[in-house]
Amino acid sequence: DTVLTQSPALAVSPGERVSISCRASEGVNSYMHWYQQKPGQQPKLLIYKASNLASGVPARFSGSGSGTDFTLTIDPVEADDTATYFCQQSWMLTFGSGTKLEIK
Amino acid sequence: EVQLQESGPGLVKPSQSLSLTCSVTGYSITSNYWGWIRKFPGNKMEWMGYISYSGSTSYNPSLKSRISITRDTSKNQFFLQLNSVTTEDTATYYCARFCYSGALFDYWGQGVMVTVSS
Repeated sequence: DTVLTQSPALAVSPGERVSISCRASEGVNSYMHWYQQKPGQQPKLLIYKASNLASGVPARFSGSGSGTDFTLTIDPVEADDTATYFCQQSWMLTFGSGTKLEIK
Repeated sequence: EVQLQESGPGLVKPSQSLSLTCSVTGYSITSNYWGWIRKFPGNKMEWMGYISYSGSTSYNPSLKSRISITRDTSKNQFFLQLNSVTTEDTATYYCARFCYSGALFDYWGQGVMVTVSS
């Protein structure tokens, strides 16, 4: 199975730019998606196929990458962005372990 | 707007079967694909399986011998059954709409926490 590796946690201040990484153990072309899960809520699709913004998602969120290395960027970060961010690849529908983002 | 809601018992005994229902509103389950995902304590997420608009199914190979996903189109519901559960099946279970072309989940239910314990 393709393993997706994410950093466990990040902390940034409001107004800053943050990049959250996801590395795949083998190439997945551009078939990587990103979800945001706020405490007590269900996951929400943010980015699909590496760089496409899902409907209703603010333009502060963007995605990039292909092959094995992918990045979710939030610029500028807001207090409401406190959440865990998961990547998910399409081939075997596996998920990363999640990156918990704390806003200082 | 598509809305999904899981329901079912929050406590299941080891060796028994876990049964959950996903009720869908705002969209017919005879269109698109519909899946189950679970999130374990500690954040690991696992896709479990999905059922198509025609009723065909696909399951995670790691669960294939224990899982069944079915549906009732008259009620616009689909179901998860997981047999022979152990404490390792303790998780929050989510149902979601699965976009087959991109292999992603675009609408999720709120989730239901299921504990396996005697």
